[in-house]
Amino acid sequence: DQQVKQNSPSLSVQEGRISILNCDYTNSMFDYFLWYKKYPAEGPTFLISISSIKDKNEDGRFTVFLNKSAKHLSLHIVPSQPGDSAVYFCAASGSGGGADGLTFGKGTHLIIQP
Amino acid sequence: DVKVTQSSRYLVKRTGEKVFLECVQDMDHENMFWYRQDPGLGLRLIYFSYDVKMKEKGDIPEGYSVSREKKERFSLILESASTNQTSMYLCASRSGQRALRGQFFGPGTRLTVL
Repeated sequence: DQQVKQNSPSLSVQEGRISILNCDYTNSMFDYFLWYKKYPAEGPTFLISISSIKDKNEDGRFTVFLNKSAKHLSLHIVPSQPGDSAVYFCAASGSGGGADGLTFGKGTHLIIQP
Repeated sequence: DVKVTQSSRYLVKRTGEKVFLECVQDMDHENMFWYRQDPGLGLRLIYFSYDVKMKEKGDIPEGYSVSREKKERFSLILESASTNQTSMYLCASRSGQRALRGQFFGPGTRLTVL
């Protein structure tokens, strides 16, 4: 049973516009949520995270929103740039903060069009 | 910056061979992880370790074993490789104290089992 779901396999956005990537989870015991970005033939790189006690975290062009009651989080990228084209993974961990590993979604392939 | 290195970027092995995948991190991280990434399935946790000589099963440990004899090194072992173990293997490490910084990933090893 998939505990972290990214229902959009791909998303196409015009350069300069906002990209919104969505993620849903089922396990209410998750305490930390993270977003990773992955280019082909490279390992994932950490992008941004949020603790379950917060509802928003911002870092430059990237903002993550958490709606605990809906068990939903989203990543906003504004403005979208060509270098943002990559696969984005949503991940979650329990109270150990990921010491026992992360649970990943299947990923969303973001394509930024010029 | 944290550096996680993996011994091979590409590996081709035959069914039944014993395969060793090596991972080394240089930031004195306590926690280390092995994941595999398959198209449409995201990243799935195979094994993790929170200390030298300690290991814990992840979500898909069958057909794999691990070894952690030194803090900086975490090895994944395929005792008898099978074609369904053809995958991208990703090693990660994490400081025990910095949950919200996420895990740092190596570049991955693409293993093909013929």
